[in-house]
Amino acid sequence: AQSVSQHNHHVILSEAASLELGCNYSYGGTVNLFWYVQYPGQHLQLLLKYFSGDPLVKGIKGFEAEFIKSKFSFNLRKPSVQWSDTAEYFCAVKRSSYKLIFGSGTRLLVRP
Amino acid sequence: SQTIHQWPATLVQPVGSPLSLECTVEGTSNPNLYWYRQAAGRGLQLLFYSVGIGQISSEVPQNLSASRPQDRQFILSSKKLLLSDSGFYLCARLGQGASGMNTEAFFGQGTRLTVV
Repeated sequence: AQSVSQHNHHVILSEAASLELGCNYSYGGTVNLFWYVQYPGQHLQLLLKYFSGDPLVKGIKGFEAEFIKSKFSFNLRKPSVQWSDTAEYFCAVKRSSYKLIFGSGTRLLVRP
Repeated sequence: SQTIHQWPATLVQPVGSPLSLECTVEGTSNPNLYWYRQAAGRGLQLLFYSVGIGQISSEVPQNLSASRPQDRQFILSSKKLLLSDSGFYLCARLGQGASGMNTEAFFGQGTRLTVV
């Protein structure tokens, strides 16, 4: 079945620690890739997106993600997290058919 | 601007009652539209998506249906609600960049449905 997998459901880090959240998908062919963030009590907002070109994508708030086509992965990274990064993070994949699938999310808690 | 209107914001319905949630978009023509249900620990579950009037793709067989009677209108319905239909329902559309190509998804404010 077509799917988007986020293997880390809960992550707890201390401030200044480095972050990497995994995202894998099971489609072949051309895809567009996204990371969204949902802060407590707020709505989804886009962190970054990949459509083509440089597989290392930089987004807002110091986040970046790397598309590795051979591994069907689009992992999210941040070198030094802050308490304000506490949120739920969602990876999403869009196929050429316009089907847009989200992963189950990763809840990040950053301790001050 | 490309705006999504979704209503109502909250809804409490008894088991067995019908449901109709409406989503309308502004500022764009022929948008790709989506209905998702968000539940804790399950992320955003794609329920339906539509690439045009009358064109509905169903992703999860369940107690819900969707319709697109107009280009900018997407409706989520049920004839008889179940307790398990409770959740947070989000309407979304794909953005359209200056070149006309699709960009990322934009979301409505959502409807919190509680079936009692």
